[in-house]
Amino acid sequence: QKEVEQDPGPLSVPEGAIVSLNCTYSNSAFQYFMWYRQYSRKGPELLMYTYSSGNKEDGRFTAQVDKSSKYISLFIRDSQPSDSATYLCAMTGAQKLVFGQGTRLTINP
Amino acid sequence: DSGVTQTPKHLITATGQRVTLRCSPRSGDLSVYWYQQSLDQGLQFLIQYYNGEERAKGNILERFSAQQFPDLHSELNLSSLELGDSALYFCASSLRTSTMADTQYFGPGTRLTVL
Repeated sequence: QKEVEQDPGPLSVPEGAIVSLNCTYSNSAFQYFMWYRQYSRKGPELLMYTYSSGNKEDGRFTAQVDKSSKYISLFIRDSQPSDSATYLCAMTGAQKLVFGQGTRLTINP
Repeated sequence: DSGVTQTPKHLITATGQRVTLRCSPRSGDLSVYWYQQSLDQGLQFLIQYYNGEERAKGNILERFSAQQFPDLHSELNLSSLELGDSALYFCASSLRTSTMADTQYFGPGTRLTVL
């Protein structure tokens, strides 16, 4: 079993929809949770970073962490075609850094 | 543009060979990270250096090694290459180190093809 599980998709939604991306994890030592966005043929770029359980909002993006359930989410509101990319969750703790498989998202105009 | 540079962009080589990938971090960043990204394994953390010293190790094979030089650029050496080593190799840099939770800035990657 992988330490971090993420549905690879692909996920296709119409423009303007709310998108929900999720990861589950098994290692209780993970303390920091991140979401990266990766466009085709590019390196990943950090979108959101959270430490504790709860919600963190940044513009159209909301990151949610539930440590009791070992579950993290990224919500994208008013999705745009430019949001089409692969989204990777990542988590770190106890000198480990693990990425999810990535979810390929397409926003259709 | 993240400010992290990687060379070469593409590399094609044969099984059994050895290659060196190079990374220059963003100006002022002291930490360098190496990753391997393949279709079946996703993004795998390989190794981290901070100011010339190895800081953390991930899923790095014994055939692979890395170092960070006094000018902070880093090299990843891959030897006895196998077909399965074909992947995108990313370098990232960050200002500090501590929990690896520092914001990392990724380079454009080196695409390695082993024939």
